[in-house]
Amino acid sequence: AQSVAQPEDQVNVAEGNPLTVKCTYSVSGNPYLFWYVQYPNRGLQFLLKYITGDNLVKGSYGFEAEFNKSQTSFHLKKPSALVSDSALYFCAVRGPFSGGYNKLIFGAGTRLAVHP
Amino acid sequence: GAGVSQSPSNKVTEKGKDVELRCDPISGHTALYWYRQRLGQGLEFLIYFQGNSAPDKSGLPSDRFSAERTGESVSTLTIQRTQQEDSAVYLCASSPPVRRPNTEAFFGQGTRLTVV
Repeated sequence: AQSVAQPEDQVNVAEGNPLTVKCTYSVSGNPYLFWYVQYPNRGLQFLLKYITGDNLVKGSYGFEAEFNKSQTSFHLKKPSALVSDSALYFCAVRGPFSGGYNKLIFGAGTRLAVHP
Repeated sequence: GAGVSQSPSNKVTEKGKDVELRCDPISGHTALYWYRQRLGQGLEFLIYFQGNSAPDKSGLPSDRFSAERTGESVSTLTIQRTQQEDSAVYLCASSPPVRRPNTEAFFGQGTRLTVV
């Protein structure tokens, strides 16, 4: 069975500092990994995804994520945080196509708070 | 339409009543998901439709919950005999055919259900 873990309920960062939001996964075979962001009272927005190739993936709003196969991790990063980055972040994994299914499973979410 | 559309956006119902939530996916998207998100919490997987395959209902919390989808179009999520614990935002997402499993899912704005 596939699963995603986001070990931190909340991450606090000062504006201008680098940020990391952690994600680890469990899936049989090669994973497809995604990050989504949810701003207050808004729907989920896609940030970035890992398919194959470069382990460092760049996405929207200056975010990037690093895929580490040996550690089964896909941590979200940004070199310099903005107050406007404050939101709820979700990591998701989709396993390989199997028997007609390819279910997308989400982590519990991490609330990022960037302080001025 | 350009995106995933959900209706109604808000629904207040009395305990014990049945409710029906609707999701219009992006045209051509064969995969459709329903998730539940309680206030400040993560995304709880409910059900997954993939083309004409039998749906994955493994996330439905009780037999009061059911969902249907006609072909690759509209889906309805029905909650019978609603309870206060059903109060949450119900999110729908769709994604392209499973032969392209690395594509991201697109979310609707959700239906906020309040059971009083």
